[in-house]
Amino acid sequence: DFQMTQSPSSLSASVGDRVTITCRASEGISHYLAWYQQRPGKVPKILIYFASTLQSGVPSRFSGSGSGTDFTLTISSLQPEDVGTYYCQKYNNAPYTFGQGTKLEIK
Amino acid sequence: QVHLVQSGAEVTKPGASLKLPCKASGYTFTSYFIHWVRQAPGQGLEWMGIINPSSGAATYAQGFQGRVTLTRDTSTNTVYLDLNRLTSEDTAVYFCARLAAGTGAFDFWGQGTRVIVSS
Repeated sequence: DFQMTQSPSSLSASVGDRVTITCRASEGISHYLAWYQQRPGKVPKILIYFASTLQSGVPSRFSGSGSGTDFTLTISSLQPEDVGTYYCQKYNNAPYTFGQGTKLEIK
Repeated sequence: QVHLVQSGAEVTKPGASLKLPCKASGYTFTSYFIHWVRQAPGQGLEWMGIINPSSGAATYAQGFQGRVTLTRDTSTNTVYLDLNRLTSEDTAVYFCARLAAGTGAFDFWGQGTRVIVSS
């Protein structure tokens, strides 16, 4: 089975901190990787697609990088509204597998 | 503006089937694929399948093969998720989401339908 593995599973950081979440694919997926944010009780929201392209309207403190099997989501300066769970997802072909999620909290 | 509207919560019994609608508006229905994703309580996102509303062709996640069917009605701009032989492990919120053209991202999501499977 195809696997998308995120790390860490959870993290706590202070406002203003730089935060990094990683995602590893079990096979190469080129740049077909998206990142979603899900705030508590809300519907997921697209942040980044093609591994590094910022969705329109998403703050520039979010950025993505990587290709092949290893990817990174970075928040350059954590804000209180960034609390939630972040998911990576591959979409080069079916199955469009999600990572298990990274829960982000504010210290 | 784009909207994907899903139905209200459902409570159903083990062994039963469910059929969940996702009604699209604000765009050309047949031009965008629709995905279904579910989220069990306190758990992550699980991809279930994708349908091409133009042709009706669908692809399913391996774990749901034989239990899930995606269909569409182009006269009402609605996509349906059919899931049968329900168990308590199917208790989840079920989302439909539109596949954005040219990006691979899910750009619009339905509000989700909460399904509880309990005897």
